[in-house]
Amino acid sequence: GNSVTQMEGPVTLSEEAFLTINCTYTATGYPSLFWYVQYPGEGLQLLLKATKADDKGSNKGFEATYRKETTSFHLEKGSVQVSDSAVYFCALSTGANSKLTFGKGITLSVRP
Amino acid sequence: NAGVTQTPKFRVLKTGQSMTLLCAQDMNHEYMYWYRQDPGMGLRLIHYSVGEGTTAKGEVPDGYNVSRLKKQNFLLGLESAAPSQTSVYFCASSYSLSGTGTQYFGPGTRLLVL
Repeated sequence: GNSVTQMEGPVTLSEEAFLTINCTYTATGYPSLFWYVQYPGEGLQLLLKATKADDKGSNKGFEATYRKETTSFHLEKGSVQVSDSAVYFCALSTGANSKLTFGKGITLSVRP
Repeated sequence: NAGVTQTPKFRVLKTGQSMTLLCAQDMNHEYMYWYRQDPGMGLRLIHYSVGEGTTAKGEVPDGYNVSRLKKQNFLLGLESAAPSQTSVYFCASSYSLSGTGTQYFGPGTRLLVL
């Protein structure tokens, strides 16, 4: 079956630090890959996605590249801000019905 | 355009009580989903619907029932609440027929079962 593995958290960084959040997956077929973000007290919202190998998704300074050879979709940002403090979920989807398989999520705290 | 809304925002139940959570979307999406979020578990799919009048089981369906009588609404019912159902419940909807579709989430319902 499909599964998503995220690095253990939480992660605490100082403002302007470089961020990497690891995500690896196991899937049948060719999945689409997603990063969702959940700000405090809110629902999840799509941060970025990639639908085929070597695609790079980007949004709000965040980037992730779909690496089929390593089955990974690591999230990066060059300079984090306090407003980036949130829970980040990696997810994948295969086939019809757009059902998502989520990782456990990781909490990022950015201090001034 | 309100997107996905959920009612109520917070509820406390006693063991054995029943309740219905309401999800509404105004984006004319075919697909709707109910998830639960628990610490360290990520989001787990409870039930989903691929169109008006249809429902299907997800990963953790036991103890829940759903109905999709209107395209814009997706109801989640707990017939006899248990403490293990204490969680945050999220509804989502999507348009795409394929796996590339984005899901749009509601703000969540926090449920405490005593």
